[in-house]
Amino acid sequence: GQNIDQPTEMTATEGAIVQINCTYQTSGFNGLFWYQQHAGEAPTFLSYNVLDGLEEKGRFSSFLSRSKGYSYLLLKELQMKDSASYLCAALDSNYQLIWGAGTKLIIKP
Amino acid sequence: IAGITQAPTSQILAAGRRMTLRCTQDMRHNAMYWYRQDLGLGLRLIHYSNTAGTTGKGEVPDGYSVSRANTDDFPLTLASAVPSQTSVYFCASSSGGPEDTQYFGPGTRLTVL
Repeated sequence: GQNIDQPTEMTATEGAIVQINCTYQTSGFNGLFWYQQHAGEAPTFLSYNVLDGLEEKGRFSSFLSRSKGYSYLLLKELQMKDSASYLCAALDSNYQLIWGAGTKLIIKP
Repeated sequence: IAGITQAPTSQILAAGRRMTLRCTQDMRHNAMYWYRQDLGLGLRLIHYSNTAGTTGKGEVPDGYSVSRANTDDFPLTLASAVPSQTSVYFCASSSGGPEDTQYFGPGTRLTVL
């Protein structure tokens, strides 16, 4: 079956760095998305990786290893507003998005 | 303001009743999607539409139907609601296909009693 695994919850300190991991098992692969979702709100797009390597966008970076079925989202200089759930989603061979359950990130002052 | 709107924001519904959740986008996106989000589970695709006039079934289509009469609107209908359909429903759209960024509406919180 198809599966996305990511930690349920993580805690980090304001100003620090946190890495949220995601492993995927899909029938075929056409890219991996990261979305941010604040409590009670809609998901919003953060990044899309289809090739191996690291993509940096300001304080957020996303990494992909296709051979390992692995991705991570790296958040630097954490701010209180980064408290949210982070959703990992992989695009399979049929171009269907398979979503993980999300990682709830708690930022402490 | 460009984006996606959903209505209602929330609804409490008696089991067996019919309900239509509305979704409208003004970005002229071709593709639209309906998801449900339940605690502890990832977003699950209910139905999708790659372009006006076409629809397809997602992962959990049973008990739901959709139509896409034009580019902007993509209503989701529950013909006879059951308690297991209690969930938060998100509508989303993308300019092309699923490899493009999806933009989500604010969601509808539905409770079926």
